[in-house]
Amino acid sequence: DAGITQSPRHKVTETGTPVTLRCHQTENHRYMYWYRQDPGHGLRLIHYSYGVKDTDKGEVSDGYSVSRSKTEDFLLTLESATSSQTSVYFCAISESRNTGELFFGEGSRLTVL
Amino acid sequence: AQSVTQLGSHVSVSEGALVLLRCNYSSSVPPYLFWYVQYPNQGLQLLLKYTSAATLVKGINGFEAEFKKSETSFHLTKPSAHMSDAAEYFCAVINQGAQKLVFGQGTRLTINP
Repeated sequence: DAGITQSPRHKVTETGTPVTLRCHQTENHRYMYWYRQDPGHGLRLIHYSYGVKDTDKGEVSDGYSVSRSKTEDFLLTLESATSSQTSVYFCAISESRNTGELFFGEGSRLTVL
Repeated sequence: AQSVTQLGSHVSVSEGALVLLRCNYSSSVPPYLFWYVQYPNQGLQLLLKYTSAATLVKGINGFEAEFKKSETSFHLTKPSAHMSDAAEYFCAVINQGAQKLVFGQGTRLTINP
């Protein structure tokens, strides 16, 4: 199994508070992604990174920011959490940009009250 | 822009019966197509992929999918369902040269004893 660790795995927070989710990989893959999974929507891309300090927006990036200061870590931050951001968040990694072969973490379940 | 549509959010079959999960794609250029599987409380894992070689693609656990350009389809099949096949299945597409994999809404497969 690809070495991908997400933390925390479960978090309950209140509206308006900041939240940071961490993705850590031991595979030295260049590309990292954050997706959110919601019933009826499948997985939607929030942000992705194609190298240290190189990030770009996905289709549902509003309300989220990311940072990648090291190859192995990709952080997703909700500056001020809202109830609509209650979801399961998945980190994924890939070795190259357009093979479509992603390796996923086990997910972080976030509940915003 | 590329997209995929999965027909049926829930599919239920009896153990030993044929499994057929439908996926249609939209793409302006030759796509790469994928099926991912998600077991309960886990991340997604790659089941099989089509990358413009053979149109009939075999994956893990006895699954296969056939790329049909004329029908813009990439349906997933398995001749005989097993209880362990119960999971959610996602079809996904990426255009050659693109950086972002696009997922369908998912199909939850239930196996009846």
